[in-house]
Amino acid sequence: QSALTQPRSVSGSPGQSVTISCTGTSNDVGAYDYVSWYQQHPDKAPKLIIYDVNKRPSGVPDRFSGSKSGNTASLTISGLQPEDEADYFCCSWAGTFTFWVFGGGTMLTVL
Amino acid sequence: QVQLQQSGPGLVRPSQTLSLTCDISGDSVSSIRAAWNWIRRSPSGGLEWLVRTYYRSKWFSDYAVSVRSRININPVTSRNQLSLQLNSVTPEDTAVYYCAREQSSTYDTWGQGILVTVSS
Repeated sequence: QSALTQPRSVSGSPGQSVTISCTGTSNDVGAYDYVSWYQQHPDKAPKLIIYDVNKRPSGVPDRFSGSKSGNTASLTISGLQPEDEADYFCCSWAGTFTFWVFGGGTMLTVL
Repeated sequence: QVQLQQSGPGLVRPSQTLSLTCDISGDSVSSIRAAWNWIRRSPSGGLEWLVRTYYRSKWFSDYAVSVRSRININPVTSRNQLSLQLNSVTPEDTAVYYCAREQSSTYDTWGQGILVTVSS
């Protein structure tokens, strides 16, 4: 069982928006602004798409955005495109005993 | 451009040791701005952070509680490599293993991943 809770799957039609939640605790997501999100296509390595809750690395479209409220972080993908179909993982710093924790992953299907 | 190239066996017998290597190019394993991690993705789907090492005037390593007693991570500075050893493996250790560079609290570069199956 993963430390952070994500929905197993979400879906949306091209052009729509979807939001993926990532629920942790006051020891990880709620305590630090070191939440990141990763996109993983089949048989590929994960790719960083959001860091520090809501920052985008260079080259990541602004359709991807992140936020946090309390112990829950969220990834929103607007204007869905077929290439967005992938697995998405959240990650949070959890202090100097547990270090890093991940979510169980969410499979996004673009209908 | 930083690249991480992983190598190692895809099949390990139960109770044996899993050994993987990660060749680093475009950065140094001794970089004072990076940490070098091993992360795995199990068949059930989730990612699990395992261990990291980093150099800040001396070497430091941090370990996940779940594997702390049987995991080793070593920087091989002469080859600019990172190694992983996981002892006494069981089928529950079957996963895709990734090495990843951690910089500014993010994993900005990942290796290609290696599927390691623990089976007799």
